Amino acid sequence: AQKITQTQPGMFVQEKEAVTLDCTYDTSDPSYGLFWYKQPSSGEMIFLIYQGSYDQQNATEGRYSLNFQKARKSANLVISASQLGDSAMYFCAMREVDSNYQLIWGAGTKLIIKP
Amino acid sequence: DTGVSQDPRHKITKRGQNVTFRCDPISEHNRLYWYRQTLGQGPEFLTYFQNEAQLEKSRLLSDRFSAERPKGSFSTLEIQRTEQGDSAMYLCASSLPLGLAGETQYFGPGTRLLVL
Repeated sequence: AQKITQTQPGMFVQEKEAVTLDCTYDTSDPSYGLFWYKQPSSGEMIFLIYQGSYDQQNATEGRYSLNFQKARKSANLVISASQLGDSAMYFCAMREVDSNYQLIWGAGTKLIIKP
Repeated sequence: DTGVSQDPRHKITKRGQNVTFRCDPISEHNRLYWYRQTLGQGPEFLTYFQNEAQLEKSRLLSDRFSAERPKGSFSTLEIQRTEQGDSAMYLCASSLPLGLAGETQYFGPGTRLLVL
């Protein structure tokens, strides 16, 4: 079974609009972390934001915020005021404390920002 | 710049040849990871080091693959007798040993391998 599911293979969004990228996860470990990374066409994986399973507040980092709904096992990334430079692949990943620290990844969402 | 670096950035080789990739982690990070990423997919875990000790290897890491981190600093990933199915992006990441689920891995630019 997929542990990380990203249901949107691709999205087109108008510049300056907000965008939500979906991520659902599956784990029985009570302690886990959820991460979002951005991968531009150059290939480098860039860390964006982190949410811990015990965090009470949704994580925010500048224009990025994470809509964490623990009971629904979802961790959607919200990008406010999108910019052309946001065009990239976006990956959701999870690490379970019992997994020896490896990250488990979704298949990604390709985001294209239209001018 | 003190981020993770990888060398080479691109490698084209013929089937059957051996290739070696290098990764230099962020200097104070003693955890180092290798991942493989094929087109249109998320990365897949290959192996993980804490200092010089290789603590975990994925079943994806066949006998043709070997990774080392001899002095606990840089790491090398060698693929022997390359096959066309080895064509992929090889990503290296490093982290501080926080021992928590939130330990963040920082990635290098990757090495793109094409096996002809």
